[in-house]
Amino acid sequence: DQQVKQNSPSLSVQEGRISILNCDYTNSMFDYFLWYKKYPAEGPTFLISISSIKDKNEDGRFTVFLNKSAKHLSLHIVPSQPGDSAVYFCAASPNQGGKLIFGQGTELSVKP
Amino acid sequence: EAQVTQNPRYLITVTGKKLTVTCSQNMNHEYMSWYRQDPGLGLRQIYYSMNVEVTDKGDVPEGYKVSRKEKRNFPLILESPSPNQTSLYFCATRRGNTIYFGEGSWLTVV
Repeated sequence: DQQVKQNSPSLSVQEGRISILNCDYTNSMFDYFLWYKKYPAEGPTFLISISSIKDKNEDGRFTVFLNKSAKHLSLHIVPSQPGDSAVYFCAASPNQGGKLIFGQGTELSVKP
Repeated sequence: EAQVTQNPRYLITVTGKKLTVTCSQNMNHEYMSWYRQDPGLGLRQIYYSMNVEVTDKGDVPEGYKVSRKEKRNFPLILESPSPNQTSLYFCATRRGNTIYFGEGSWLTVV
């Protein structure tokens, strides 16, 4: 049973526009959420995180929104750049412990 | 430079032949973990370790063993590999909210 789901395997966006990547989770014990970016042949790199006590966290072009009642989070990239083209994973952690559960990933393609 | 180093990066092996994938980190992090990445399934956690001599199962521990005898090393052991363990494996360390991943180890079991 997939506790963290990214239902869109791929997303294509024009350069300069907004990219919105979505993630849903089922476990109400999750209290920390993270987004990672992965290029082919490389390990994932950390992008941004959010604690369950917040509903928004912003870092430059990246903003993560958390809707606890809907068990949904999203990553907004504004403006999107071709270098943002990669696979994006959301991940959730219960009680900030050792377990970290990833979604399946969404492949973002930003076209010039 | 912060590094998580995995070896080997690429390996083809046969069913039942024990193998070890090593992982070392130079950041003195207490937390280390192993993941496997498979198409359509994302990254799944195999085992993690909160500190030396402390290891716990992740979501998919079957068929794997780990050990954490010292802080910098966290080897992943496949005692009797099977073809369903063909995958891309990542070792990672964590400090706070930031996880540092190794470059990955491609393992094929035939």
